[in-house]
Amino acid sequence: AQSVTQLDSQVPVFEEAPVELRCNYSSSVSVYLFWYVQYPNQGLQLLLKYLSGSTLVKGINGFEAEFNKSQTSFHLRKPSVHISDTAEYFCAVSQRENTGFQKLVFGTGTRLLVSP
Amino acid sequence: DAGVIQSPRHEVTEMGQEVTLRCKPISGHDYLFWYRQTMMRGLELLIYFNNNVPIDDSGMPEDRFSAKMPNASFSTLKIQPSEPRDSAVYFCASSLSGGAGKNIQYFGAGTRLSVL
Repeated sequence: AQSVTQLDSQVPVFEEAPVELRCNYSSSVSVYLFWYVQYPNQGLQLLLKYLSGSTLVKGINGFEAEFNKSQTSFHLRKPSVHISDTAEYFCAVSQRENTGFQKLVFGTGTRLLVSP
Repeated sequence: DAGVIQSPRHEVTEMGQEVTLRCKPISGHDYLFWYRQTMMRGLELLIYFNNNVPIDDSGMPEDRFSAKMPNASFSTLKIQPSEPRDSAVYFCASSLSGGAGKNIQYFGAGTRLSVL
């Protein structure tokens, strides 16, 4: 079974500084990878996805992630964060079920805290 | 589209009472998911449906939990009887199995359940 590791439970950063949120997954077989963001008291919103093609994926709000197959990583980056980026970020990987359906397995989340 | 709609947004009940959470998926989506989010266990998949049929309910914690999807536009998650340890945020999500939107799950805003 697939698993996702988000090593950092919390990342504090100052406004306008760069940030990287780390994500590693367990399997080296073909996978789909996702980053979701959860703002306070809201549901999860898709930030970006990797399905195939270019390993550098750009998402909403200036975020990007790079798929590294050899390191089984999918780290999320932003060159300059804003206060409004304060949220919980979840990495997810697909897991193919016997039915053919790709179920999502989520990491435990990383709380990004942006301060002035 | 209005997105995935969940009701109620907040539910406070007493131990032993029946609780019913409701979800309206995005029109045309053929998969529906129920998740539970707690500080201790993170985001857990409880059950998912395909074309209104439950496919995998292995994440349902106990027989006190049940979920139904009587039609393509409505699903319920019921807890009877409720216990304080059921306190959590419950999310509903839906996705489309084919096309460009494949594997992307769209989440509702969640129902925050407090069992006293």
